[in-house]
Amino acid sequence: DTVLTQSPALAVSPGERVTISCRASESVSTLMHWYQQKPGQQPTLLIYLASNLESGVPARFSGSGSGTDFTLTIDPVEADDTATYYCQQSWNDPRTFGGGTKLELK
Amino acid sequence: QVQLQQSGAELAKPGSSVKISCKASGYTFTSYYISWIKQTTGQGLEYIGYINTGSGGTNYNEKFKGKATLTVDKSSSTAFMQLSSLTPDDSAVYYCAREDVYYGLLPGYVMDAWGQGASVTVSS
Repeated sequence: DTVLTQSPALAVSPGERVTISCRASESVSTLMHWYQQKPGQQPTLLIYLASNLESGVPARFSGSGSGTDFTLTIDPVEADDTATYYCQQSWNDPRTFGGGTKLELK
Repeated sequence: QVQLQQSGAELAKPGSSVKISCKASGYTFTSYYISWIKQTTGQGLEYIGYINTGSGGTNYNEKFKGKATLTVDKSSSTAFMQLSSLTPDDSAVYYCAREDVYYGLLPGYVMDAWGQGASVTVSS
C-alpha cells in the first residue's frame, strides 16, 4: 500500500503562514487530496487533485505538489483553522490516508 | 444540499455482526460511489472500500476482505456496511463518504461529502 507520511503536529500564531507536508512512498501523480477534521466532526474536503480549491473553502487554503511530495498551505492562519489535516491519495489501490497533522494555534 | 445520514452508535459483543446504514439525500444516489472509512485513535483513517451504487459492484481493501460487506438499497438511497466476526480491534468510528470524479490534469475520485460517523464498540 502507498504510505503517506505527515508531521504529527504544528503550532502557529494567528496571522502566520503554515505549510503542512505529505510525502508518499511512491508516486501518486497529482491524485492527492486534503481534508480538514475538527474535533468531534467528520472530515471535509479542502483541496482536490493536489492544487484545486473545493467550492466554499476559503482562498487562504492552497495546495501544491506532484509525484511524491505535496504541501497544504494556510495563509494567513485563523483561530478557526485549529484541526487535524489529512492527505489522501487515489492513484494507487487501495486509497490511503496520511496519519494527520494536528494544527494548534498559539 | 448533499447529506449522508448514518445510523447510530452500536455496542456489540465479540463474534457478532453489525450493519451500519448511510442514507443519502440531495443528489442522484446512483450516480456516485459510496466509500467507507474506519477511524481509530491508533490507526488513523483506513480505507475499507467502495460500492458502485448503480451496479452494486464493490472494491475492497484487501485488509477488510471477509470483515466488511458493502451493499445498497437503491429504492431508499441507502448504503450499508456489515461488519462480521467482530473483535475489539473493530471498535472505531466508521464513516461513509460520497465519491465523485473530479477533473484536473488527470481525473480522480474524491470523497467530497462525508456522513457524521457511526461509533461501533465491541466489548463483552
